[in-house]
Amino acid sequence: KQEVTQIPAALSVPEGENLVLNCSFTDSAIYNLQWFRQDPGKGLTSLLLIQSSQREQTSGRLNASLDKSSGRSTLYIAASQPGDSATYLCALSSMGRRALTFGSGTRLQVQP
Amino acid sequence: NAGVTQTPKFQVLKTGQSMTLQCAQDMNHEYMSWYRQDPGMGLRLIHYSVGAGITDQGEVPNGYNVSRSTTEDFPLRLLSAAPSQTSVYFCASSYSTVGEGYTFGSGTRLTVV
Repeated sequence: KQEVTQIPAALSVPEGENLVLNCSFTDSAIYNLQWFRQDPGKGLTSLLLIQSSQREQTSGRLNASLDKSSGRSTLYIAASQPGDSATYLCALSSMGRRALTFGSGTRLQVQP
Repeated sequence: NAGVTQTPKFQVLKTGQSMTLQCAQDMNHEYMSWYRQDPGMGLRLIHYSVGAGITDQGEVPNGYNVSRSTTEDFPLRLLSAAPSQTSVYFCASSYSTVGEGYTFGSGTRLTVV
């Protein structure tokens, strides 16, 4: 059974800092990994999708990496802004289960 | 392009009542799934479908029923609501698990009293 862990559970940083969010998983037989953002009381917005065969994906100030051999993914946010404050979720689509398995998320607060 | 549409957005039920949460997508996606989100528990899979007529259970299926008669619609039925089913429910869809990621609806906030 795939298990997904996100560390830290919460993070508070001053504006302008670069930061890394971590996601680890137990089963490397995955199709892809997806990072989402969720604002309080809102739905999930997809940020980045990394295919199993890829090592990283970039979108603007966001960069996500995938290392299947170690069961890890990181989401790097450059030059953080208060508008980045949200909960960040990673989710995996695994072989044998055609739906997503989620981590419990990292709640990010960027202080002005 | 509407994406994934969930209705209603909010609902209050009494214990023992039944209801159906609606989910529709207009992207011709084969894969659809339902999740519930509870504080401190993350999102957990309730049921999923890989195409019309095909459904399967996720991690927390008890008390819920699904069917998939068309590609577009994947309703979630609560058979006899219980306070433990108070949660936020999300529906998601994907064209395939290999090539594309999932798109989520905006959620249904359900309270069972």
